[in-house]
Amino acid sequence: GQNIDQPTEMTATEGAIVQINCTYQTSGFNGLFWYQQHAGEAPTFLSYNVLDGLEEKGRFSSFLSRSKGYSYLLLKELQMKDSASYLCAVKEGYQKVTFGTGTKLQVIP
Amino acid sequence: DAGVTQSPTHLIKTRGQQVTLRCSPKSGHDTVSWYQQALGQGPQFIFQYYEEEERQRGNFPDRFSGHQFPNYSSELNVNALLLGDSALYLCASSLRATASNQPQHFGDGTRLSIL
Repeated sequence: GQNIDQPTEMTATEGAIVQINCTYQTSGFNGLFWYQQHAGEAPTFLSYNVLDGLEEKGRFSSFLSRSKGYSYLLLKELQMKDSASYLCAVKEGYQKVTFGTGTKLQVIP
Repeated sequence: DAGVTQSPTHLIKTRGQQVTLRCSPKSGHDTVSWYQQALGQGPQFIFQYYEEEERQRGNFPDRFSGHQFPNYSSELNVNALLLGDSALYLCASSLRATASNQPQHFGDGTRLSIL
């Protein structure tokens, strides 16, 4: 089975940088996804990590340490539209994906 | 290129009834996964279908069942509905043979309310 932990809520200021952490325990790790979900909408894909290190994609970066069971999503130059829930999801085996409860990020002016 | 489509968008049922939700995967995808998302929670994996068979299953009772058709579309059936079944039901599709880094594509979901 899997256990995925991430903070429930975070608040950050427009233009700032925020880091959302995720820790996991799994028996068959095969990659970690980050998704963004606005209220009432479907999750949308942000990033994928399977090897240790940092993956950068525009304002968003994601880091993975497999030995520590740890990942973070880094959002730079925050915009009001970044207010959303951010879901950490671990892939186990072929295609089963288990989601954390999500971190609700509020960006304030 | 049509994405994942789900129907209906909203549904209201009463306890004890049965419901069927439908999903058409993104064009070119052959694998469909179903998730239940309660308010304020992350999606919980129900099961996954590939080649018309249930391949993996999460921690959901037998009241939850599904089907995949030859055209890769899928249905989720829930029997003997309980109040706790009220949630957003998400369908996600993918192509099984692709590399692991290919994400699932989600539909907009069906909002199921049980009275």
